[in-house]
Amino acid sequence: KQEVTQIPAALSVPEGENLVLNCSFTDSAIYNLQWFRQDPGKGLTSLLLIQSSQREQTSGRLNASLDKSSGRSTLYIAASQPGDSATYLCAVRDEKTSYDKVIFGPGTSLSVIP
Amino acid sequence: SQTIHQWPATLVQPVGSPLSLECTVEGTSNPNLYWYRQAAGRGLQLLFYSVGIGQISSEVPQNLSASRPQDRQFILSSKKLLLSDSGFYLCAGDRIRYEQYFGPGTRLTVT
Repeated sequence: KQEVTQIPAALSVPEGENLVLNCSFTDSAIYNLQWFRQDPGKGLTSLLLIQSSQREQTSGRLNASLDKSSGRSTLYIAASQPGDSATYLCAVRDEKTSYDKVIFGPGTSLSVIP
Repeated sequence: SQTIHQWPATLVQPVGSPLSLECTVEGTSNPNLYWYRQAAGRGLQLLFYSVGIGQISSEVPQNLSASRPQDRQFILSSKKLLLSDSGFYLCAGDRIRYEQYFGPGTRLTVT
């Protein structure tokens, strides 16, 4: 059974720092991995999607990498800003289920201090 | 890209009352649709998913049901709400193996 974990559970950094969020999954048989952002009381916003054949994706100050064989992904945020404060979730689309099931991690709560 | 609409944004209902939450999709046809619940301080729990009109699969036995009367409409229902049904309900959609998009969510409080 696919399981997704995220470390750390919470992170607080001063504004301007570069930071890395980690995501691990137990079964490497995935179609893709997606990173989301969730602000309090809001829905999830898609940040980056990495297909299983890709190694990384970039969008602005965000860079996500994928090492499928080791079951790991990282989300790198450059020059963090207070507006980056949110919960970040990763999710994998599992290859072994009979439908396109997406399994979510518990999230990392990020606080960027001005 | 697709847009997911949900309403209402918030809902307060007494125990034993019925429930109907609606989700509609804009910008794509024949999407996969999902209902998730997010309890306070907890992760996302998949409740139902649908690959087409009238095709509903349930992940977790519960007091809720789902229907898909039209290609881009997904409805979450209950005949009698329980206190444990309180939570944040999210509708999501995607095309096969593509990016998943979420609606703004409905905050349900059962009193």
